[in-house]
Amino acid sequence: QSVLTQPPSASGTPGQRVTISCSGSSSNIGSNTVNWYQQLPGTAPKLLIYSNNQRPSGVPDRFSGSKSGTSASLAISGLQSEDEADYYCAAWDDSLNGHVVFGGGTKLTVL
Amino acid sequence: QVQLQESGPGLVKPSETLSLTCTVSGGSISSYYWSWIRQPAGKGLEWIGRIYTSGSTNYNPSLKSRVTMSVDTSKNQFSLKLSSVTAADTAVYYCARVTGYSGSLDYWGQGTLVTVSS
Repeated sequence: QSVLTQPPSASGTPGQRVTISCSGSSSNIGSNTVNWYQQLPGTAPKLLIYSNNQRPSGVPDRFSGSKSGTSASLAISGLQSEDEADYYCAAWDDSLNGHVVFGGGTKLTVL
Repeated sequence: QVQLQESGPGLVKPSETLSLTCTVSGGSISSYYWSWIRQPAGKGLEWIGRIYTSGSTNYNPSLKSRVTMSVDTSKNQFSLKLSSVTAADTAVYYCARVTGYSGSLDYWGQGTLVTVSS
C-alpha cells in the first residue's frame, strides 16, 4: 500500500490527452512539491516533472504537471506511442523525521 | 554528463548483509544528496534513503533499522548496506542524485538486480 495513491492504469489513443492523478496528505503533497517520473519498459526511471510543474531540459511540453491541496496531476497531451510507460509521482513526507514517498505507479497504455 | 553506476554482489544469502556501491562520474559528488531506490520485479518504486556528502542521512522508516549509508568523497562513491535480508529484499536497486529544493532525482544509475536466496 503506497502512501501516494495513483490509478493502476490509464489509456488513450494517439493524439488524445490523458491525465494521471496522485493523491496524498497534508504531510506530503500538502506541504511539499511533487515530482513525476517516467519508466519505460526495462529501463531506469527518468525525471519528467519536478517542483509540481517544471520540466527538465529535453522533456517535451506535451507533459505538464499541476498540484492543488493534497493532490497532483500529470497531463500528457498529443499522446504518442512512445509515451507507453509506467508513471510515478513522488514527494517528501515530513513525518517520521522526513522521507520520500512514491505513488504505486500508473501503467499508461497507448491504444 | 553525470553518470551513476551501481556495483555489488547479485546474490546474497538470507540473513546476510546486502552491500552496494554507486560510483559517480562526470561530476563531483560534493554538495549533493544521493539516494538509493529499489524496485521488486513487477512492482513499484520504494525509496530506501538518502545521504548528503557531509554524511547526514534520512532513511525510509520501514527500513531504518536495517539500513546504513555512507559516502566516500575521495572516490566519488556512496554506498548502501542492508542487513538481515530476506527474499522480500530481492529487487533492482538504483542509485540516483537528488537535486534542488524539490528533492527530485535527476540522474539515475541503470540499476542492479540483487537476489536474496540460499
